[in-house]
Amino acid sequence: DAGVTQSPTHLIKTRGQQVTLRCSPKSGHDTVSWYQQALGQGPQFIFQYYEEEERQRGNFPDRFSGHQFPNYSSELNVNALLLGDSALYLCASSRPRGSSYNEQFFGPGTRLTVL
Amino acid sequence: GQQVMQIPQYQHVQEGEDFTTYCNSSTTLSNIQWYKQRPGGHPVFLIQLVKSGEVKKQKRLTFQFGEAKKNSSLHITATQTTDVGTYFCAVQGAQKLVFGQGTRLTINP
Repeated sequence: DAGVTQSPTHLIKTRGQQVTLRCSPKSGHDTVSWYQQALGQGPQFIFQYYEEEERQRGNFPDRFSGHQFPNYSSELNVNALLLGDSALYLCASSRPRGSSYNEQFFGPGTRLTVL
Repeated sequence: GQQVMQIPQYQHVQEGEDFTTYCNSSTTLSNIQWYKQRPGGHPVFLIQLVKSGEVKKQKRLTFQFGEAKKNSSLHITATQTTDVGTYFCAVQGAQKLVFGQGTRLTINP
């Protein structure tokens, strides 16, 4: 059973560019959340997707957008990249709503460097 | 929104010594989760606490949830080099996780 997968592993972009990160959730999971983790910090919640809609959003600008596909996989898009967007981007999936357990399974992350 | 403060930020111990990290909130928490992130890795779920005063053990790890549900702790007995990493507490609220700043544990073998 594959866990959460993310691609690419590493990415280098320049300021002003746009980037798309991808995530496939763990088998049986339908909810995908995205987190940004700056160096030496805890993960910060960006947004969550469920039933192909954004359900919750953290304190991130509109430059950060996402999408969820019918197979539950998800994309995170960041436009007009800033140096401060350099971070590890983590995708986490969780069991269907109504499950009593709230454990989130994290993928290995995408390391984004903005030059 | 809910916030959690975690202390200490860093802890260096000799192998075999004990280690404790604390997670505190000014508001009552519905639950607390603990994650471990190895260097270069991603957060891995350790445990979830829900009940007031709850204590759970996993081998050398002991997790506690305060009676008032405003604080939690993770205690590792007789640390081993495999315990190296950053330990995060996190609160599940409105379908999102709010993480503490983490405690980075380093161990001198």
